Amino acid sequence: GENVEQHPSTLSVQEGDSAVIKCTYSDSASNYFPWYKQELGKGPQLIIDIRSNVGEKKDQRIAVTLNKTAKHFSLHITETQPEDSAVYFCAETSGGSYIPTFGRGTSLIVHP
Amino acid sequence: EAGVTQSPTHLIKTRGQQATLRCSPISGHTSVYWYQQALGLGLQFLLWYDEGEERNRGNFPPRFSGRQFPNYSSELNVNALELEDSALYLCASSLRGRGLNTEAFFGQGTRLTVV
Repeated sequence: GENVEQHPSTLSVQEGDSAVIKCTYSDSASNYFPWYKQELGKGPQLIIDIRSNVGEKKDQRIAVTLNKTAKHFSLHITETQPEDSAVYFCAETSGGSYIPTFGRGTSLIVHP
Repeated sequence: EAGVTQSPTHLIKTRGQQATLRCSPISGHTSVYWYQQALGLGLQFLLWYDEGEERNRGNFPPRFSGRQFPNYSSELNVNALELEDSALYLCASSLRGRGLNTEAFFGQGTRLTVV
């Protein structure tokens, strides 16, 4: 991968609301897009991922969408809970590099 | 199954000293990645090892180096420590899928503080 832009840098929502985090990438060879959640004092944890041959993937309250034409992908969290509060990172990997390139992160705050 | 383990969890060093950080990948994983996460910043790629060889390195000076052992565990060495080296150093491991990228799993990190 070359460059990944992630927005917003901070997202504050009320418990029960939805949260959306968006990332754009520039490498047309990118084919794997994981999302990580990092809680305070811990390493990033893989929460969901999507490959370039799929447009959408869902796992309970979390979903990821991929638009290859526009080179962007998004994380959607529905019915947010306080324990969803963390920093979320998007990443992408191209077939040629094998090295995950990360966005700058989004600090999600869910208010009870 | 054990996840990625890193040691030590915390390390305090004086400017100019050397630091050695260790990582044990998930069993069966041959690729190890090292990232630096400075306060308030994202994950900056440092080094990638696969099957004992350094495959790529990020935009860091040569005093950041490492190696991967035959059992695929890895070591990151930082020489001539500077104050700005203070950061959380994260190790991740994955299978190298021969063209198919697979999940990278992270350890809990080593918090390096340079005083």
